[in-house]
Amino acid sequence: EDKVVQSPLSLVVHEGDTVTLNCSYEVTNFRSLLWYKQEKKAPTFLFMLTSSGIEKKSGRLSSILDKKELFSILNITATQTGDSAVYLCALTQGGSEKLVFGKGTKLTVNP
Amino acid sequence: GAVVSQHPSRVICKSGTSVKIECRSLDFQATTMFWYRQFPKQSLMLMATSNEGSKATYEQGVEKDKFLINHASLTLSTLTVTSAHPEDSSFYICSAAIGGANEKLFFGSGTQLSVL
Repeated sequence: EDKVVQSPLSLVVHEGDTVTLNCSYEVTNFRSLLWYKQEKKAPTFLFMLTSSGIEKKSGRLSSILDKKELFSILNITATQTGDSAVYLCALTQGGSEKLVFGKGTKLTVNP
Repeated sequence: GAVVSQHPSRVICKSGTSVKIECRSLDFQATTMFWYRQFPKQSLMLMATSNEGSKATYEQGVEKDKFLINHASLTLSTLTVTSAHPEDSSFYICSAAIGGANEKLFFGSGTQLSVL
């Protein structure tokens, strides 16, 4: 059975800390891995990764994919309280637009 | 940027009633929309793929007669939870992609359904 496992499930840090969120997966016919940020209701897109070893970066956020070891990490440096959210990892498989989501990592950044 | 509007944001209903949730793409046409359900502390689970002008495609284990999906136009898909029961209480969220590209997938703000 295909699955997406995120860790940790929750994380509490102080402003300024750096965090690393993990997403491991077991799917057939992998096509892409996506990261979303879900603050209150609607998830917002962060990154889409398709190739191993190529880091994607947006401000203080970055992400990389390892297709050999079947995982991805999402890094957030110099965290701010506004980074508090649930971070979702999702996969797509060849021939389908269906997203398979992990349970998410709830990040809390305290001032 | 592109926006997907979902309405209502919250609904409380009695057991046995039906509830309709609307999902609109506000500034783009969406031939395909997706409906997800999220239980507390669980991941978003795809319920069905809504196709404009044709029948929806339901995921395994999702009752199509229970969750009626209508995608009558390129900007509107509706999900009707028929004869709702307390176990249907959940967070329902829709999404739509521009050009079918996942990196351009936009989510609605979700609907929290509580069935008494």
